[in-house]
Amino acid sequence: EAGVTQFPSHSVIEKGQTVTLRCDPISGHDNLYWYRRVMGKEIKFLLHFVKESKQDESGMPNNRFLAERTGGTYSTLKVQPAELEDSGVYFCASGQDISNSPLHFGNGTRLTVT
Amino acid sequence: QQQVKQSPQSLIVQKGGIPIINCAYENTAFDYFPWYQQFPGKGPALLIAIRPDVSEKKEGRFTISFNKSAKQFSLHIMDSQPGDSATYFCAASYLTYSGRYQLTFGKGTKLSVIP
Repeated sequence: EAGVTQFPSHSVIEKGQTVTLRCDPISGHDNLYWYRRVMGKEIKFLLHFVKESKQDESGMPNNRFLAERTGGTYSTLKVQPAELEDSGVYFCASGQDISNSPLHFGNGTRLTVT
Repeated sequence: QQQVKQSPQSLIVQKGGIPIINCAYENTAFDYFPWYQQFPGKGPALLIAIRPDVSEKKEGRFTISFNKSAKQFSLHIMDSQPGDSATYFCAASYLTYSGRYQLTFGKGTKLSVIP
């Protein structure tokens, strides 16, 4: 089974630019999560999709972040305009249901805003 | 406010040693406590998990000890090997008002096992 795929693996952009991160979950996983880890800090929840619907976006830092999940398949996370504090590693994870079944993480996108 | 406190931040042990990573929590609503292992350039992967109705769980060389009254849990790695060198995250989850399990992570411990 293919794992969770994230693209790009690295992105370096200047402050004020726009970046779009993509996540392809494991096929059949209705639940898709976005997390972020700032260097040295904990991995923090950003939002949760169930199929194409946003179930919980309480972790989104501000309205510069926009997440979508087209047709309940892949998801994108857009940051516009990017700020220095947005730098970090963005992880996507998918799971089969909303219980404590294991989350499968992608390898992350390392975003650097200069 | 950090809900799951993890220590130490980094740990170096000799091969064969028993590294211990500790975590503490405050929210008594947490009812599931997983540990994730992350290798450089990879995403976190579930290693082992425990529920608060048991005090210990063992899978291979990895053991979780859980102290419900102290609200603490720890990961022990028996006979550690260089291949265990990774970052380890403890986590805790609870069922939110919206019917969703929210996973909260510690800051991570970078473990290095020296040959």
